Amino acid sequence: EVQLVQSGAEVKKPGESLKISCKGSGYSFTSYWIGWVRQMPGKGLEWMGIIYPGDSDTRYSPSFQGQVTISADKSISTAYLQWSSLKASDTAMYYCVRHSTASEAFDYWGQGTLVTVSS
Amino acid sequence: QSALTQPPSASGSPGQSVTISCTGTSSDVGGYNYVSWYQQHPGKAPKLMIYEVSKRPSGVPDRFSGSKSGNTASLTVSGLQAEDEADYYCSSYAGSNNFYVFGTGTKVTVL
Repeated sequence: EVQLVQSGAEVKKPGESLKISCKGSGYSFTSYWIGWVRQMPGKGLEWMGIIYPGDSDTRYSPSFQGQVTISADKSISTAYLQWSSLKASDTAMYYCVRHSTASEAFDYWGQGTLVTVSS
Repeated sequence: QSALTQPPSASGSPGQSVTISCTGTSSDVGGYNYVSWYQQHPGKAPKLMIYEVSKRPSGVPDRFSGSKSGNTASLTVSGLQAEDEADYYCSSYAGSNNFYVFGTGTKVTVL
């Protein structure tokens, strides 16, 4: 069974750094792109970026380029999303997703990680 | 890259059909047959319902169908059931610069 299990909710202050994780299981982690999707409170879905764990090739949405860093450690089948200096506007639910290259769709989703940034 | 345009809401009675539109441009929806649709219940992660415009993943009821004409894709839910009440988002591949874009989302209410 394919599963993406994300790290738990985080409460941070503005200016702090953060790294959240997404562990894949039930499939070949290095053979599928893993992406990140933001959902701000009461809002829609936004595609942030994507990484291929096999070679760490990474692509970012122009809207998120320079704002976050996506990485992966294939030895432990885990992808990461990190911020160096959080802002209140980063408060959102973040989902990791498995991307199917053949269909250009996101076929499996993690349960989400809620990030709250507040002073 | 702007979000794809969806109506904010749609509704229908049990057993009826509802169709949701998703309008983009020739750079995304109109340019590729890579439109997908996602269902999201409150407090839950989205779930893939349709991919490549009209294909259904295993386990998705055939009440859900997709189509596309020009720059507009559509999701139709036939024989509405109470459990179909949810938010629905479309998504499209948008080329090698913008990659992927989501729709604005539509809340489907079963009356």
